[in-house]
Amino acid sequence: AQRVTQPEKLLSVFKGAPVELKCNYSYSGSPELFWYVQYSRQRLQLLLRHISRESIKGFTADLNKGETSFHLKKPFAQEEDSAMYYCALKGTGNQFYFGTGTSLTVIP
Amino acid sequence: EAEVAQSPRYKITEKSQAVAFWCDPISGHATLYWYRQILGQGPELLVQFQDESVVDDSQLPKDRFSAERLKGVDSTLKIQPAELGDSAMYLCASSLNLLSYNEQFFGPGTRLTVL
Repeated sequence: AQRVTQPEKLLSVFKGAPVELKCNYSYSGSPELFWYVQYSRQRLQLLLRHISRESIKGFTADLNKGETSFHLKKPFAQEEDSAMYYCALKGTGNQFYFGTGTSLTVIP
Repeated sequence: EAEVAQSPRYKITEKSQAVAFWCDPISGHATLYWYRQILGQGPELLVQFQDESVVDDSQLPKDRFSAERLKGVDSTLKIQPAELGDSAMYLCASSLNLLSYNEQFFGPGTRLTVL
């Protein structure tokens, strides 16, 4: 079965501290993975995709096929990073699977 | 800046009634997605279109849900009859095409409450 798991519903960190949002996936093929973010009262939007190997707003995510993970990391959290974060997998047949999301709060 | 438009933003209905949601994707976007997001969960893909054709509707409860994109531009999602468990946020998204590196742009959603 194709599935995305985000084990933490809530995560709080202090400003300036490192942050890691966990994402594990279940997929038999070569996965295509994404992180989406939703800031308060804004639309869901793409943060980054593993295929681009990019860093957006200081966030990075590395695909680890051995651990079937795609954790999102940032070395120094900022208050403006407070948001809801969703990990997503593009599976067979162009189906997209989203995790249940992690609500990140950065404490000033 | 072009955005995905959805209407209505909020809809309250009684169970067994019919409801319809409308989505206007970004101009030139061939691919359109409808998602359902139940409170506390992530978006769940219901149906996706490439132009006017359905690419995948395997998660669409076809006994009560229907979706169309007749001219390959805007789209309508209908529920008839609505049930209590249909209360959720309905999100529409569009992308240039089906290729993975094309970003999905989401609309503001329609929040449905079934009483």
